Amino acid sequence: QVTLRESGPALVKPTQTLTLTCTFSGFSLSTSGMCVSWIRQPPGKALEWLARIDWDDDKYYSTSLKTRLTISKDTSKNQVVLTMTNMDPVDTATYYCARIPNVYDSSGYDYWGQGTLVTVSS
Amino acid sequence: QSVLTQPPSASGTPGQRVTISCSGSSSNIGSNTVNWYQQLPGTAPKLLIYSNNQRPSGVPDRFSGSKSGTSASLAISGLQSEDEADYYCAAWDDSLNGLVFGTGTKVTVL
Repeated sequence: QVTLRESGPALVKPTQTLTLTCTFSGFSLSTSGMCVSWIRQPPGKALEWLARIDWDDDKYYSTSLKTRLTISKDTSKNQVVLTMTNMDPVDTATYYCARIPNVYDSSGYDYWGQGTLVTVSS
Repeated sequence: QSVLTQPPSASGTPGQRVTISCSGSSSNIGSNTVNWYQQLPGTAPKLLIYSNNQRPSGVPDRFSGSKSGTSASLAISGLQSEDEADYYCAAWDDSLNGLVFGTGTKVTVL
């Protein structure tokens, strides 16, 4: 059974760094083709893709947020971590992690975490 | 930022067919496959269509996807009340070297 769960602070102050952890089970991020991404959604707004890390440690970032984001994985712990620096109130959103089981067959994000709401406020 | 354009809303009565468009460019839809996601109120998105027109196991065949050039479409036939949700298209963008989502479409069942 595949599950993903996001964890991290619910409230951060402006200029602080946000660290979110995606803990997953039911699959291994060392399997060829496997990927995990972070996606966010501001209240009442559309989904926004943030970053992706692949089984071979390739990393991809949103062009508009690239300078603020770092994605990493700990395969032994089944975790993917996202850090976002210099947080601003406009970064208030629900943050999701999701997996692609096989990037080679265009399979899409088939499993998602429940999401974690992060509010940026002083 | 959303570079795939969808109509903000669509509606229909139960049993009707509703179509949602997704307009992109040569660097995304024009050169990569399209996926569609359904987001029910207060829940995480769910994969509805992958690789332009493939349904994951468990997705009713009332949902179908297609792609032509730099545009894609999602059709819901035999609209049901439980289809009331937000729908998003998504595609990899070769110029941005990242995934882009559509602006989202809210489907209302009248």
